[in-house]
Amino acid sequence: AQSVTQLGSHVSVSEGALVLLRCNYSSSVPPYLFWYVQYPNQGLQLLLKYTSAATLVKGINGFEAEFKKSETSFHLTKPSAHMSDAAEYFCAATHSGTYKYIFGTGTRLKVLA
Amino acid sequence: DADVTQTPRNRITKTGKRIMLECSQTKGHDRMYWYRQDPGLGLQLIYYSFDVKDINKGEISDGYSVSRQAQAKFSLSLESAIPNQTALYFCATSEGRRGPQETQYFGPGTRLLVL
Repeated sequence: AQSVTQLGSHVSVSEGALVLLRCNYSSSVPPYLFWYVQYPNQGLQLLLKYTSAATLVKGINGFEAEFKKSETSFHLTKPSAHMSDAAEYFCAATHSGTYKYIFGTGTRLKVLA
Repeated sequence: DADVTQTPRNRITKTGKRIMLECSQTKGHDRMYWYRQDPGLGLQLIYYSFDVKDINKGEISDGYSVSRQAQAKFSLSLESAIPNQTALYFCATSEGRRGPQETQYFGPGTRLLVL
């Protein structure tokens, strides 16, 4: 069965510092992977997704993620955190044959001034 | 105007009451989904619909029912609400023609409190 694990339910970084949010997946078939962001009192919106076209995926707001098959990882990074990045981030996965997302448990990012 | 809307945004109800949460979309998408979000658990799929005539149970459908009244409308009902159904509920849509990698678009959520 497919699963998604996000290490660290809370992450704090200083403004201007590197953001690294971790996501590992478990799947017996090639996955499609997504990162969504949820700002306070809002729904989720797509940051980026991996669809096997390229292992390094660039998304909105300066975020990017790299698919590493050998490590079964899809970590999200941003070189320099901004206060507006404070939100909850969810990693999700699907695979060929299903339209159902499997979500990780989320990571709440706090950006310190 | 928002593409995916949910009503109500907040609801307080009592144990045993029947309530309905509504979702409407203007994106013209075929597929619609209902999720619940609990702190520390991420999002769990309750029901999903591939079109008006195709409705499927998700991971946690017990205690819930749905109705797909039209392509644009998908309602979630709690037949007899209980306190552990207190959660944040999201509706989502996807086009349905681009395969499993297609993006899902989420509504703003309904915060439900069952006393």
